[in-house]
Amino acid sequence: GEDVEQSLFLSVREGDSSVINCTYTDSSSTYLYWYKQEPGAGLQLLTYIFSNMDMKQDQRLTVLLNKKDKHLSLRIADTQTGDSAIYFCAESSTDKLIFGTGTRLQVFP
Amino acid sequence: DTEVTQTPKHLVMGMTNKKSLKCEQHMGHRAMYWYKQKAKKPPELMFVYSYEKLSINESVPSRFSPECPNSSLLNLHLHALQPEDSALYLCASSQVTDYQPQHFGDGTRLSIL
Repeated sequence: GEDVEQSLFLSVREGDSSVINCTYTDSSSTYLYWYKQEPGAGLQLLTYIFSNMDMKQDQRLTVLLNKKDKHLSLRIADTQTGDSAIYFCAESSTDKLIFGTGTRLQVFP
Repeated sequence: DTEVTQTPKHLVMGMTNKKSLKCEQHMGHRAMYWYKQKAKKPPELMFVYSYEKLSINESVPSRFSPECPNSSLLNLHLHALQPEDSALYLCASSQVTDYQPQHFGDGTRLSIL
């Protein structure tokens, strides 16, 4: 079955870049997503990439997709304290989202 | 600000109570979802409605009963819940079910006494 994995924790200094990684197993995935969840809140859709793309940039966010290795990453430039949250990657093939385990990003001054 | 609105934000209920969670979206989406999320875990899919018809039930116990009165509204009726049902319940919507990004509400934090 499908499986999506992420590292559990990442700590970065304010102003540095953060890179959150994700691996998935379903080669038929069509879209891959990044969601952000702040404490006590729902999931905020940050960005997504179609599987025939290898990179997408949106302001401070850069998504890289290596389809051969089934590896997805999210780079946050100039990380701010407001970026502290849990980040979930997710894959979809048809009508379901399969979420990763989530990466807790902690930003320190 | 989220475009998917969930009420109430918090709910405490006893195991014999009956309550309902509500979700509303006005983005013209035709697919709506219920998820359950336990602390420090990813959301788990419960139900999917497509064009107001239930299309997926992920083997959810019958004490959870979904309802989609129209394309903008989604309810989750709760009855005789167990303490392990305490969780954050998230609603989401998308244009259609296939390959479309899902937009989430802020959830209802449910506590069962």
